[in-house]
Amino acid sequence: NAGVMQNPRHLVRRRGQEARLRCSPVKGHSHVYWYRQLPEEGLKFMVYLQKENIIDESGMPKERFSAEFPKEGPSILRIQQVVRGDSAAYFCASSPGQPNEKLFFGSGTQLSVL
Amino acid sequence: GIQVEQSPPDLILQEGANSTLRCNFSDSVNNLQWFHQNPWGQLINLFYIPSGTKQNGRLSATTVATERYSLLYISSSQTTDSGVYFCAVEKPGGSYIPTFGRGTSLIVHP
Repeated sequence: NAGVMQNPRHLVRRRGQEARLRCSPVKGHSHVYWYRQLPEEGLKFMVYLQKENIIDESGMPKERFSAEFPKEGPSILRIQQVVRGDSAAYFCASSPGQPNEKLFFGSGTQLSVL
Repeated sequence: GIQVEQSPPDLILQEGANSTLRCNFSDSVNNLQWFHQNPWGQLINLFYIPSGTKQNGRLSATTVATERYSLLYISSSQTTDSGVYFCAVEKPGGSYIPTFGRGTSLIVHP
C-alpha cells in the first residue's frame, strides 16, 4: 500500500519564480489537506480539498497561493512569484472522508527560496 | 478558533525512562489525534482518540473530552522515540480541519 506521496522532496527556487508542489493521496482517499511548517513550529493549516472542490482555504494567503485537486491526478499547491518568507516545509495529508477520520501525511516538500 | 496547548515544550530523557505528554484544548472536540514527527520530518499517526484510552506497544493515550485534555504516555523510552509529538483536534460542526498544537520536542539519550 502506497502512502501519501509528495514530490519533490526538496525544491529550490529563486525569488520571483513559481513553485509547484505535488501530492498523491493514499489510494481511495478523497480528502486532501495542505499544511505549512516553519522551523521550531507546529503545522499551520492552509487548504482543505476534495476531488475538484476547495472546501476551506482560510489558511492560505489570498495572493500568489493556489491549490487544486483535479478529478484525475495529484493535488497541486502552487506558489507564484516566491519570496524568501515562503521557505518552509509543506506537508500534504489525506483521509478517506469525513467525519472523524485519521490523517495520513506525506514526507513533505522542503521549499528553499534563494 | 480553538486553542491547543501542549506541555512540556521540551523533554530530555535517558533511555528506559517513562514520560507523560499533555495536550489541552480550549473547546469541545469531536476528534483528537497524536502524531510523531521523527528527526527526518516524517509525520506518523500514533492514535486517533476522541475519548477513552488506547494502547499500542509502549505507547498509550487517554483523552478526557469533558475536561478538555489528552495525555500521551511513553514507557521504557528508546532513542527512536526522539522527535516532536503533536496533538491535533477538530471542533464539532466545523469543516473537519485538524488544528495542531506547537508540539513537545523529545530527546532520548542512550
